[in-house]
Amino acid sequence: KQEVTQIPAALSVPEGENLVLNCSFTDSAIYNLQWFRQDPGKGLTSLLLIQSSQREQTSGRLNASLDKSSGRSTLYIAASQPGDSATYLCAVDNFNKFYFGSGTKLNVKP
Amino acid sequence: DTAVSQTPKYLVTQMGNDKSIKCEQNLGHDTMYWYKQDSKKFLKIMFSYNNKELIINETVPNRFSPKSPDKAHLNLHINSLELGDSAVYFCASSHRDTNNEQFFGPGTRLTVL
Repeated sequence: KQEVTQIPAALSVPEGENLVLNCSFTDSAIYNLQWFRQDPGKGLTSLLLIQSSQREQTSGRLNASLDKSSGRSTLYIAASQPGDSATYLCAVDNFNKFYFGSGTKLNVKP
Repeated sequence: DTAVSQTPKYLVTQMGNDKSIKCEQNLGHDTMYWYKQDSKKFLKIMFSYNNKELIINETVPNRFSPKSPDKAHLNLHINSLELGDSAVYFCASSHRDTNNEQFFGPGTRLTVL
């Protein structure tokens, strides 16, 4: 069974720092991997989706990488801002079965 | 213009009652899902429907019964509610043509007293 782990569980950084969030998974037979952010009391907002054949995807200050063979993905956030404070979740699609990590709670201090 | 909507947003009820949560998507997606997020914020898939047919049914008590009247709607009915059912329930949708990228609704916070 697929297991998804996110490290660290929480992260606090000063505004302007670049940071990396990590996601690892045990079964490399995935269709895609998706990164989300969740604000308190809200639903999940899709940030980036990486197909299994891709190595990375970029959107603005966000860059997600995927190394399927080693079961790892990273989400890089450049020049962090207080508005980036949220919980970041990665989800693995094992062909219509989705498995989520427990998230990294990010706090960007002004 | 809301893409994935759920009603109600909050639901407070007594143990033993039966309740329903509704979900609608206007994205033209062919697959819809129900997730449960527990108090530790862990998200777990419950059901998945593709073109109104059930394709995933995780280990969920049979008190939970999803119903998909059409591709744009997936409702969740819960019988004989228990304290442990208290959680936030999220609906999501996706389409294979967009690599199954999932879009989530705002969630329904269910509290069983």
